[in-house]
This record gives sequence, structure tokens and C-alpha cells, in this order.
Amino acid sequence: EADIYQTPRYLVIGTGKKITLECSQTMGHDKMYWYQQDPGMELHLIHYSYGVNSTEKGDLSSESTVSRIRTEHFPLTLESARPSHTSQYLCASSDSGTGNTEAFFGQGTRLTVV
Amino acid sequence: DQQVKQNSPSLSVQEGRISILNCDYTNSMFDYFLWYKKYPAEGPTFLISISSIKDKNEDGRFTVFLNKSAKHLSLHIVPSQPGDSAVYFCAARDTSGTYKYIFGTGTRLKVLA
Repeated sequence: EADIYQTPRYLVIGTGKKITLECSQTMGHDKMYWYQQDPGMELHLIHYSYGVNSTEKGDLSSESTVSRIRTEHFPLTLESARPSHTSQYLCASSDSGTGNTEAFFGQGTRLTVV
Repeated sequence: DQQVKQNSPSLSVQEGRISILNCDYTNSMFDYFLWYKKYPAEGPTFLISISSIKDKNEDGRFTVFLNKSAKHLSLHIVPSQPGDSAVYFCAARDTSGTYKYIFGTGTRLKVLA
């Protein structure tokens, strides 16, 4: 059972608002990821982190920002939401040190910007 | 340029029969290939993986085959059950210092009762 949690599950917000999507994991994993997915499309990596105070931009350009102040917490922030940000946001974590190969995903946040 | 490709957006199979989902890749720096199952409005759930040095891995009804020369892998589900109906994503782990997971576009499997 994966212990990675995302809040909120669903969010409808007006254009121009600042939002933070929360992601926490209790597995002590060093690596964390944010993916963005639209229906019928692949999961696009937008941010990842190797550990505390380490963040990198992913393959898909995103106007969002992330922080990794604690191992278990990897929030994503949009300073000014726009309708083009409407999508599903998926957080994941993995631990290369244990020999496990898979990334574990949270349940996702469905964001709608109106 | 898409490094992991799933060319079949959908597949319908009769209950009890075999489901075969396919995936192609272009990058030789992947060390593991993985299959995930996803329901709408949920996060992907890990199913099975295979090391790049293996050619087969089996777990219950799920078997993954890897053909390195063709850069192709497939997931076999036998026997297929209605509960298997979901979107299946092929993914690959990039070892070029990043351990990023690259995903395909998914195949929607429908198992007919």
C-alpha cells in the first residue's frame, strides 16, 4: 500500500488566484515527482526532486514552482492560475536506495481554472 | 520526441481471453520498464516491471515481455477480467543520472463480460 497523499482531490478556482497543491509521503523516499496529465495524453514530468533542497524542472515547461524543505513534503504552487492550467496533477515518489524500481503515485488533484 | 510510445489508444477483449498491450521505446538508457494501471480521476497503480537485462517477468495473471533488439515490450493479461478495464501506461526509468520515469500515452483496455 503506497503512503502518498495529495490534497485537494478536486479544485475549481478562478483565474488569477494563487494555489498550492499539497503532496506528502510517509515512506521516507528521497525522490519525488510532479506529473501533469490531460485526457488521452501521457504523463508529463513537470518537476522532480532528488532530496531536501533539491528541485529540477521536468521535460514539460510549467509555470508552476515547487519546494522540498522536508523529505516528506513536495508542494506545487501556481502564483496566478489560468484556464490553460486546467489538468490533472499527479505526485509520485520513489526510493532508489531500497532496490525498488517503481514510483508510487498519489490519487491526484483535478484542477479546473475558470 | 516521444521516447515511450503506445500506438494503440484502445483495446477490447472478451472476458477470459488474453489481453496484449504493446509499447515501443527509443532510448537505450532505460534500466527498468514498468506497467501502470489507471482509473479516471485516480493516480496510476504499479502493476509489474522488468529489468532491461531480462526478457520476461511474470506475476500472477500479468506477464511482461521485453525484446531489446526491437526496443519493444508487451504486457499480457491472462485470463482477462472485467475488473481489468482501465487505462494502462507503459513507463521507463531513465538512468542518465536522474531516475526520471517517462510515460507513454496509455492504452484503454475494455474487457467485455
